[in-house]
Amino acid sequence: DSGVTQTPKHLITATGQRVTLRCSPRSGDLSVYWYQQSLDQGLQFLIQYYNGEERAKGNILERFSAQQFPDLHSELNLSSLELGDSALYFCASSVPGYNEQFFGPGTRLTVL
Amino acid sequence: AQSVTQLGSHVSVSEGALVLLRCNYSSSVPPYLFWYVQYPNQGLQLLLKYTSAATLVKGINGFEAEFKKSETSFHLTKPSAHMSDAAEYFCAVSAYGGSQGNLIFGKGTKLSVKP
Repeated sequence: DSGVTQTPKHLITATGQRVTLRCSPRSGDLSVYWYQQSLDQGLQFLIQYYNGEERAKGNILERFSAQQFPDLHSELNLSSLELGDSALYFCASSVPGYNEQFFGPGTRLTVL
Repeated sequence: AQSVTQLGSHVSVSEGALVLLRCNYSSSVPPYLFWYVQYPNQGLQLLLKYTSAATLVKGINGFEAEFKKSETSFHLTKPSAHMSDAAEYFCAVSAYGGSQGNLIFGKGTKLSVKP
């Protein structure tokens, strides 16, 4: 158990819908990272938040957005979902200045 | 820009045999390198990391990796494979070098262990 929690574990929805994935980092970790894992693209970095502020953006679509709240949990919002958005979405957290990232168990999103 | 290449999407070994998973990196700055393991239906677990200290890095579960700057490699080895080692292994490099920033992952190598 990494100490990073993600909910829900599985999510099945239809095209065009909007979903929210939730992540709680390890206690004391200020950075939260979101990654997408798919068969064709592999593991891709989406976005990073540090202590409530966006720190870096990767290959994140405009239909996707994220935020980190004062209690440091983070949410990834995916809207206008397409079939190709079906993937595993991981959240990771790390301590400032120490880039050992701890991954949550992931949310498996299936878009039908 | 940093990148990672893992040679071999699938490696199969017999139980008790040497495990060698290959990773080559490209980095414009001194790299921080990582190996993660992913068991079926689970998240990624850190096996070991190189952060510019010793070039031979020991990790969990008997794995180790050697950083070779001249070869831009960071191959993962284990002297004797166990059935429980069957999983997918990912090599990663820190995007900006050093201790900050996201990770850039290789495509992964799926390790099978035959009895």
